Amino acid sequence: KAGVTQTPRYLIKTRGQQVTLSCSPISGHRSVSWYQQTPGQGLQFLFEYFSETQRNKGNFPGRFSGRQFSNSRSEMNVSTLELGDSALYLCASSEGQTYSGNTIYFGEGSWLTVV
Amino acid sequence: QQQVKQSPQSLIVQKGGISIINCAYENTAFDYFPWYQQFPGKGPALLIAIRPDVSEKKEGRFTISFNKSAKQFSLHIMDSQPGDSATYFCAASKTGANNLFFGTGTRLTVIP
Repeated sequence: KAGVTQTPRYLIKTRGQQVTLSCSPISGHRSVSWYQQTPGQGLQFLFEYFSETQRNKGNFPGRFSGRQFSNSRSEMNVSTLELGDSALYLCASSEGQTYSGNTIYFGEGSWLTVV
Repeated sequence: QQQVKQSPQSLIVQKGGISIINCAYENTAFDYFPWYQQFPGKGPALLIAIRPDVSEKKEGRFTISFNKSAKQFSLHIMDSQPGDSATYFCAASKTGANNLFFGTGTRLTVIP
């Protein structure tokens, strides 16, 4: 079974631009979450989508948004990029139940550099 | 506000030694505590996890110890190997929410 696939793996954007990152979850998984990883703040939860609906949201500004398609694939968008948005963006998938212990699998991430 | 606190930030251990990483949490609603291992350029991978109804869980060389009253849990890596050199993250989640709260990570280096 293929793992969580993220594209692109690396990208460089200019301050003020917007960016869209894509994620394909493990086959059969209906939940997709996004995390931001930076050296200063560590791993922080952005949002989670389940059956095309945002089910949970972290403490990030409205410039960060996402969506999920009917095939469970997800995209996240960051508008009006700031230098501080430079980070590794990780997508994670799981079967989707909200009971604790629902194993969450991570992709290899998309490295975003804002210049 | 860091919901899960992790220490130490970095750790150097000799091959064959024991690596110990500690985490503490405040939210008593947390009921699932996984540990993730991350190698450079890779995403975090689940290593081992525990629920608060047990005090210890062992899988191979990896053991989680859990102290519910102290709201602390730790990862022990026995017979540490150079291949264990990676960053380790503790995390916590609660029933009803499918997101993880991560510690700040521990960079482990195992010296041959």
